[in-house]
Amino acid sequence: DGGITQSPKYLFRKEGQNVTLSCEQNLNHDAMYWYRQDPGQGLRLIYYSQIVNDFQKGDIAEGYSVSREKKESFPLTVTSAQKNPTAFYLCASSPSGGNQPQHFGDGTRLSIL
Amino acid sequence: AQSVTQLDSQVPVFEEAPVELRCNYSSSVSVYLFWYVQYPNQGLQLLLKYLSGSTLVKGINGFEAEFNKSQTSFHLRKPSVHISDTAEYFCAVSDLSGGSNYKLTFGKGTLLTVNP
Repeated sequence: DGGITQSPKYLFRKEGQNVTLSCEQNLNHDAMYWYRQDPGQGLRLIYYSQIVNDFQKGDIAEGYSVSREKKESFPLTVTSAQKNPTAFYLCASSPSGGNQPQHFGDGTRLSIL
Repeated sequence: AQSVTQLDSQVPVFEEAPVELRCNYSSSVSVYLFWYVQYPNQGLQLLLKYLSGSTLVKGINGFEAEFNKSQTSFHLRKPSVHISDTAEYFCAVSDLSGGSNYKLTFGKGTLLTVNP
């Protein structure tokens, strides 16, 4: 079945450590997105990519980095510059176009040790 | 800039009762509107979408929503809820002001709790 796979489901980070969250899709979608979800805050956009080798900052990009070397993959790195990384991270993808709904993975929960 | 307001952070109801989850948006241009549902520790699943045409949109699991342009609202309704509808519901808007680089803006969510 087609879908979005996020791994790992749970991730722990030590202070000063960078960690990378994986997101892979086999839906052949052009666009991919990373969101951060905190209780009572809804979803906030971190980065998005409309096409391979191109990506744009979202509303809360500071302390995060991404790459888009392949159409099906959009990994997110949470750097040590992100002072409050504990959150639920969701990856999504969609075909191009504003009327296309986004499809979501099951998320990665990141916690600080 | 577009924004979305979900007027209730929590809505408790009894099983088989009707429910309405309210959503208002602001945008200076035409919009596309979506409702998503999230079960605990899972991603979001699309319930329904409004793109154009009929203002009453039917979705999965018996949900429907009505687009009201004059009131800039897109409220979600279900005539009779089940225990399994307990989840968090998110309203989202996408407008055309961003050109080819459109973005979804989400509300903060409404937690629907269905009690027996």
